[in-house]
Order: sequence, then structure tokens, then C-alpha cells
Amino acid sequence: DTGVSQNPRHKITKRGQNVTFRCDPISEHNRLYWYRQTLGQGPEFLTYFQNEAQLEKSRLLSDRFSAERPKGSFSTLEIQRTEQGDSAMYLCASSLWEGSNQPQHFGDGTRLSIL
Amino acid sequence: AQSVTQLDSHVSVSEGTPVLLRCNYSSSYSPSLFWYVQHPNKGLQLLLKYTSAATLVKGINGFEAEFKKSETSFHLTKPSAHMSDAAEYFCVVLPWTGNQFYFGTGTSLTVIP
Repeated sequence: DTGVSQNPRHKITKRGQNVTFRCDPISEHNRLYWYRQTLGQGPEFLTYFQNEAQLEKSRLLSDRFSAERPKGSFSTLEIQRTEQGDSAMYLCASSLWEGSNQPQHFGDGTRLSIL
Repeated sequence: AQSVTQLDSHVSVSEGTPVLLRCNYSSSYSPSLFWYVQHPNKGLQLLLKYTSAATLVKGINGFEAEFKKSETSFHLTKPSAHMSDAAEYFCVVLPWTGNQFYFGTGTSLTVIP
């Protein structure tokens, strides 16, 4: 069990640029979640996948955000035309669903800073 | 509607004294409940979980939590705080019928030497 891996750990970019983050879940986990966390707050749900299917998206996920999990393994989260308000920690978590939810295992996150 | 309320945004204890971090939840039916810990610039680590078995749940690093349905509470305790316990703690609820995990706003624990 190598844990959930996220890359990059930090990303600094200018407003208006596009950014892409990657998440590699625990290999046998079929569910993958994306969260956004701002300073002093708990994680806010963005979206989740079961295998390759994106099953739920939060209203927080504007049309500038897109997530994929093409082969049901790793996932990418892309933000287009970044804005100052996108600055946050983006967390990925994975879990095993076999008819009931199991605890999520989190990566260390990608911290995005918009200049 | 589901919600999680962590009653204290910040708790400060002396090393070696008990820790109490309070959490109240609102959820239909019987939810699953979790406590996670987050150290600076790190992801969240699972401390313990309640999934409708024993109401007193033991977790890692000496932490425990008790599920009290009548009070809709799931408070986290530890008999004796250690310096390494200083971190942010999150109470999380997973509704029985749902797939989305709901996080509290967190409690920052400071341990004074």
C-alpha cells in the first residue's frame, strides 16, 4: 500500500493560466474524490468517481473545472483560466466501495497559488 | 439535511492532560462517523471510525470517540496529550443513504509543554 499520491505538491501560476493536477489512488480502490480546502476550513467536496464514471459533481465545480479518470485508475483535475479565488489546497482521496462506504484515504494535496 | 458542527475552533491543553474535541452531527438515520487529523501541509489521516457497531470506538495514537445517538454527538477524547498531537482535527459524517462525506470546519489543537 503506497498510499494516495498527488502531483505536483505545489503549483504557482499567473491568473488566467490553465493548471492540471494528478492523483494516483491506492491501487485497489474503486472510488476517487476531489476536495478543495482553503485556510481554516474543512475540505469541500468537488466531485467523485466510481471506476471511470464521474457520479457526482458539486455546485462548487464551475465550468472552468474538469476532472477525468479515463481508465479508472489515476485522475486529473484541470482548472482553466485560473482566478485568484482558485488559490487553495486541492486534496484527492480514494476508498473501496463494496456495497458500503469505507473510510477515505487522502493524499498530501496540491497547493495552488494564483499570482 | 446533513451537517457537522465542531463546537470549538481552537483547543489548548497542557502536555499530559486530557483532550476533548467536540462534534455534533445532523443526519437522517444512522450515519457513519469519522475523525481525521491533519498536520501542516499534509493530507488527512484517519484516526477512527464509527459504523454502527460498538458505540465506543478506539482509534490510533490513544484516541477514542463515543457515539451518542440521543445527543447526536461524536466527541473525540484522549487521556493524556502529547506534543505530537498538535494538529487540526476534523469530524466527518457519511449519511446512511449517501456517497458524499461531510466535513466539519475543524478544531485546531495546541499542546503546551
